Amino acid sequence: GAVVSQHPSWVICKSGTSVKIECRSLDFQATTMFWYRQFPKQSLMLMATSNEGSKATYEQGVEKDKFLINHASLTLSTLTVTSAHPEDSSFYICSAKDSGAHQPQHFGDGTRLSIL
Amino acid sequence: KNQVEQSPQSLIILEGKNCTLQCNYTVSPFSNLRWYKQDTGRGPVSLTIMTFSENTKSNGRYTATLDADTKQSSLHITASQLSDSASYICVVSEETSYDKVIFGPGTSLSVIP
Repeated sequence: GAVVSQHPSWVICKSGTSVKIECRSLDFQATTMFWYRQFPKQSLMLMATSNEGSKATYEQGVEKDKFLINHASLTLSTLTVTSAHPEDSSFYICSAKDSGAHQPQHFGDGTRLSIL
Repeated sequence: KNQVEQSPQSLIILEGKNCTLQCNYTVSPFSNLRWYKQDTGRGPVSLTIMTFSENTKSNGRYTATLDADTKQSSLHITASQLSDSASYICVVSEETSYDKVIFGPGTSLSVIP
C-alpha cells in the first residue's frame, strides 16, 4: 500500500529556532500534499495544501511566512516552522494523494514539535 | 456549511464486546466517506472508503455502513481487542476538483480487559 514517511518524528528545540519537517511519498507520486496541525484530543486542522511545482494554498489564519512549504518534487514536501515559539508546539501531520478522483489521502506518522 | 459530526465523543468497552460509532454529515456535494483509525501519537490509517452507491464495506472486524439519503454512516467493530483503542475519525470528501475533505472530531475508543 501507499506509504508516506514523515521525518523527524519528534523534535525539541529552543525558542527562535527554525525547524524543517519532511514528508515523502515512498511508492507513489504525490501530486498534492497536505499539512495538518493537531492539538491534544482534537481532530486534524488543515494548514495548507501543496501542489508540486506551485505555491501552497494556506488556510485562513495560517501565516504563510511562519509556515514555509516547499513541494519541489512529486515525492517530497517540506514544512519549515520559522522562528518557532512555544505556542507552535503541536503535532504536525502530512498527507499525500495521487491525482484522480476518489484517491485517498495517505498520512505520515506525524512530527511532535516541542519548543522550549 | 459543510460539517461532520461524530458520536459518541468517547467510549469505553470491555475486550471482546462489539461497538458502533456514528457519523452524521452535511457535506454537499458528496464524493465519498472514509473512516480512519488514529493511534495515539501516530498518523491516521484508512479503514474503509465508500462512495455514494455503496451501502456497506468491511475490513476484517470493521464494517462501515453508509446511508446517503439520511447522510449517516456507522462503523461497527466486532469482537473488540485491546489494540482497537484509538481515535476513529470520519472524513467526508466534497466533490470538487481537488477533493476537499472535512474531518469529524473523532470518537475516542478505549478497550479495557
